Amino acid sequence: DAGVIQSPRHEVTEMGQEVTLRCKPISGHNSLFWYRQTMMRGLELLIYFNNNVPIDDSGMPEDRFSAKMPNASFSTLKIQPSEPRDSAVYFCASSPGAYNEQFFGPGTRLTVL
Amino acid sequence: AQTVTQSQPEMSVQEAETVTLSCTYDTSESDYYLFWYKQPPSRQMILVIRQEAYKQQNATENRFSVNFQKAAKSFSLKISDSQLGDAAMYFCAFAETSGSRLTFGEGTQLTVNP
Repeated sequence: DAGVIQSPRHEVTEMGQEVTLRCKPISGHNSLFWYRQTMMRGLELLIYFNNNVPIDDSGMPEDRFSAKMPNASFSTLKIQPSEPRDSAVYFCASSPGAYNEQFFGPGTRLTVL
Repeated sequence: AQTVTQSQPEMSVQEAETVTLSCTYDTSESDYYLFWYKQPPSRQMILVIRQEAYKQQNATENRFSVNFQKAAKSFSLKISDSQLGDAAMYFCAFAETSGSRLTFGEGTQLTVNP
């Protein structure tokens, strides 16, 4: 298995632009998580899905952030409009549920100028 | 809300020596899961070891072992025979139930000196 796949690996954009981050979980995993990592706040959960249904989006910072999971093999995290304070590494992780082990993707480093 | 605290921002160890990283957590739950993740400079998050709270036996994975003290809400990671490749940021993490969110500590940056 290729593991969790995220794209793009790096994204540089200007303030006000729309940004879409993509994630393909490991096949057969029924939970998907989006995390954000910054120096100031560390690793924090933004949202997670179970069987494609959003379970907890309390970590989504503002209405500018939205996430979807249209099917079991794909999820997106969208920021519109983006701001410099959104600059961070965004991780997607998936879990089969058993033992709660989460497998992380390589992350997307987002820079908003 | 659950919290996870790692009180050691940085640690260093000599190659082949043993080092222990500390982690404490706060929860009112009786059943939960604890993890140690490693993040090398590549920034990939790698699971090192996990512990189910209902298990009294401490988890072990090769050179990595934990000291799980449920009453004290402590979950330390011991790395034996440290190798240069162990140098990374180590995160302690907590999950309330299977399939639920991870709450991470602040991380401990481990340096391994040759």
